[in-house]
Amino acid sequence: EIVVTQSPTTLSVSPGERATLSCRASQSVSSNLAWYHQKPGQAPSLLFYGASTRATGVPARFTGSGSGTEFTLTISSLQSEDFAVYYCQQYLNWPYTFGQGTKLEIK
Amino acid sequence: EVQLVDSGGGLVQPGGSLRLSCSASGFTFSTYAMHWVRQAPGKGLEYVSGISSKGGSTYYADSVKGRFTIFRDDSKNTLYLQMSSLRTEDTAVYYCVKAEGNNYLGNWFDPWGQGTLVTVSS
Repeated sequence: EIVVTQSPTTLSVSPGERATLSCRASQSVSSNLAWYHQKPGQAPSLLFYGASTRATGVPARFTGSGSGTEFTLTISSLQSEDFAVYYCQQYLNWPYTFGQGTKLEIK
Repeated sequence: EVQLVDSGGGLVQPGGSLRLSCSASGFTFSTYAMHWVRQAPGKGLEYVSGISSKGGSTYYADSVKGRFTIFRDDSKNTLYLQMSSLRTEDTAVYYCVKAEGNNYLGNWFDPWGQGTLVTVSS
C-alpha cells in the first residue's frame, strides 16, 4: 500500500498571504495524484487531478505541482473561503490512499 | 448538474446491518464507476469500496472485505452499500463519489455526495 503523508498538519496563514502545502508518497506515483478540499460541515470537493490540472471552477490562485513522490499545492493569495482542510490522494495503485490532511487556518 | 444524494445512515448496534443508498442524477450513471469513501468523526478520509460501470468489477478495502457489499442498480441510477457485522470502528460519515479517469474503476473522485452518518454503538 502506498502511504501518503501531508505536511504540515496545521498551517496558519493570514488572508492575502501565500500558502504552501506538501504531499509525499512512499513510492513514485508519477502524476497520479489528486487534491481535494473540505470546508467545515461540507463534503470534500476536487481541486486538482493529474497533480496539476485544475478541476472545473477552481480559481487560478490555486496551483498544483510535482511528480514522483513530492507534490505541492500553492494558494497565492488566501481568501476567506480557502480556509479549510486539504487532502491529497494517490490513484496509481489500489487501494487508493489519502493523506491525513492539512488544516489551513486563519492566522 | 451532477448530483449525488446519500441516504440510509443511522444508529445500529455492533454486529448489526445497514444499507446505504446513493441516488445519482445529471449524468449517465451506467457509464461511470462509483465508490464509497468514509470519514470517522474528526478524522481524515478512508477509501471503502468501488464498483465499475455496469458492475463487472468491485474493490474493497481490507478493513471492510467480507462484511460490506457494493452493488448498483443502473435502472434506478442508484448505488448501494450493504454493511453487515458492523463494528464500532465503522462509525463514520459515508460519502458516495463518482469516479473520473481512464482506469476501469476510475481514478479521482468528483463530485461527492453530502454524506450519510453511520453510528455503530450499543
